[in-house]
Amino acid sequence: ETGVTQTPRHLVMGMTNKKSLKCEQHLGHNAMYWYKQSAKKPLELMFVYNFKEQTENNSVPSRFSPECPNSSHLFLHLHTLQPEDSALYLCASSSLAGGRNEQFFGPGTRLTVL
Amino acid sequence: GDSVTQMEGPVTLSEEAFLTINCTYTATGYPSLFWYVQYPGEGLQLLLKATKADDKGSNKGFEATYRKETTSFHLEKGSVQVSDSAVYFCALIGSSNTGKLIFGQGTTLQVKP
Repeated sequence: ETGVTQTPRHLVMGMTNKKSLKCEQHLGHNAMYWYKQSAKKPLELMFVYNFKEQTENNSVPSRFSPECPNSSHLFLHLHTLQPEDSALYLCASSSLAGGRNEQFFGPGTRLTVL
Repeated sequence: GDSVTQMEGPVTLSEEAFLTINCTYTATGYPSLFWYVQYPGEGLQLLLKATKADDKGSNKGFEATYRKETTSFHLEKGSVQVSDSAVYFCALIGSSNTGKLIFGQGTTLQVKP
């Protein structure tokens, strides 16, 4: 595997379910990001991790809970979501957070909340 | 705060036509500028970038020049192909060095044979 991978690619869940999204990067990077892409809205940065430490939480509701056990893996735990949380969730990585390092994106998880 | 504005889409062109997608930005200092492309069903791929004024980024026949005086980074391609159909995002990282990517709203390009 190369680059940034995300699983699952598609997820349908009810509002009372608990699920997790997984992201893995094979680029030797130290920073990882979660973005939300909704229809007709610009991409929204959700969380930033640098060397496994969360450095940014962009006022994301607590029903989204990130976890970064090491620099290669990033999870997004989901619980009691709302239909408006349906979106494409993109993971990205870069060599470091901060600076002007370009970010490399995964293919995304298409989430539908019923 | 920093922001990016792109032209509204969709842009529909015939194959081999000339492409321009306008992008302007608001930022203090000298941000780094990027164009990302998203093909259907896929994530974002970096298309090109420029890190200082008058730099020209280029890749796969696409070009964009960092214009400080007009705060612009317009994307151009001389002859588009059907395979260029995608959504194009202009983005910046501000000179405050937080590393936070600020995206425009995206412009959909449809190229017809």
